[in-house]
Amino acid sequence: KQEVTQIPAALSVPEGENLVLNCSFTDSAIYNLQWFRQDPGKGLTSLLLIQSSQREQTSGRLNASLDKSSGRSTLYIAASQPGDSATYLCAVRISGSRLTFGEGTQLTVNP
Amino acid sequence: DAGVIQSPRHEVTEMGQEVTLRCKPISGHDYLFWYRQTMMRGLELLIYFNNNVPIDDSGMPEDRFSAKMPNASFSTLKIQPSEPRDSAVYFCASSFGAALMNTEAFFGQGTRLTVV
Repeated sequence: KQEVTQIPAALSVPEGENLVLNCSFTDSAIYNLQWFRQDPGKGLTSLLLIQSSQREQTSGRLNASLDKSSGRSTLYIAASQPGDSATYLCAVRISGSRLTFGEGTQLTVNP
Repeated sequence: DAGVIQSPRHEVTEMGQEVTLRCKPISGHDYLFWYRQTMMRGLELLIYFNNNVPIDDSGMPEDRFSAKMPNASFSTLKIQPSEPRDSAVYFCASSFGAALMNTEAFFGQGTRLTVV
């Protein structure tokens, strides 16, 4: 059974700092990995999608990497801003189109 | 496209009542998912459909839960009778699954259900 773990569970940083969020998964037979952002009381917003054949994807200040063989992904946020404060979730897609989610990392960027 | 649309956004009901949650997926998407999010268990997949057909309902917690997708643009998740432990945020998501590697899932804003 695929298990997805995110570390740390919570992170608080000062504005402007670069930071890394970690995601690990137990079964490397994935189709892709997706990073989401969730604001309090809101739905999930897709940030980045990395296909199983890719190593990384970039969007603005966000960079996500994928190492399938070791079952790890990282989300790098450059020059963090208070508006980046949210919960970040990673999810892996395995056979049958199922998405399995991690517990999320709650990020707070302090002005 | 307006994205995945869920209704209602909030629902408060008494224990024992029937609750129906609604979802309109993104036009053209052939996969539809129902998830439940709680503090204790995080995001759990309840059921998903492909081309309106239920594919995997192993996440549906009990017979009190049922889901239908009568057509490509509408799905419902029904709880009857509802219990306080069903209180959670229920998300609907859709994706176009022709090429699974490229498939990106898009989520609705969720329905926050409170059963008192």
